[in-house]
Amino acid sequence: DIQMTQSPSSLSASVGDRVTITCRAGHTISTYLNWYQQKPGKAPRLLIYAASGLQSGVPSRFSGSGSGTYFTLTINNLQPEDFATYYCQQSYSFPRTFGQGTKVEI
Amino acid sequence: QVELVQSGAEVKKPGASVKVSCKASGYSLTSHDINWVRQATGQGLEWMGWMNPNSGNTGYAQKFQGRVTMTRNSSTTTAYLEISSLRSEDTAVYYCARAGYSSGWPVIEYWGQGTLVTVSS
Repeated sequence: DIQMTQSPSSLSASVGDRVTITCRAGHTISTYLNWYQQKPGKAPRLLIYAASGLQSGVPSRFSGSGSGTYFTLTINNLQPEDFATYYCQQSYSFPRTFGQGTKVEI
Repeated sequence: QVELVQSGAEVKKPGASVKVSCKASGYSLTSHDINWVRQATGQGLEWMGWMNPNSGNTGYAQKFQGRVTMTRNSSTTTAYLEISSLRSEDTAVYYCARAGYSSGWPVIEYWGQGTLVTVSS
């Protein structure tokens, strides 16, 4: 199984900030990396696919980068609705492992 | 529009089994794989396995092999997750989710609302 490790586990930020979350894969996964956002009591929502592709309907303040084993999710100009937990997931092989999550708090 | 509607919350005793349903609408169930993901309270997402509703083929994370069964009923466009020999650590919200592709890249696109399964004596 490919282990996915996110950092930090949580972070505090303010509206308007730029936030960066890191995800490392235990094995090279090319750009088979997706990012999801989850709000309390809700199902996850796909934000970024293939490491840097912006899913339809997702605001352009979200961006992703990386390849191989190192990936980042950046949120520019943080908005109140962005306070949530973010997960990376590899889609390179089965099982489709997730990172442990990063909670973005005020 | 694509929608996945799951069955309601369940309370089970240790050792029992539970079967969660996931009814698909807005698309053909047999056209996309269904994944199951669970989330214990306050914890992260845990991928359990996948099912191809067309062929019935499945693949399970090693942790769940032998205790989890994913099936479907194409005529009712419903997918099922059955977990046997439940233990307290299985208490979680279980999500069904439709796999797909964004610009050719595999993703999990659509999610059910989740089903809380509580295992308690």
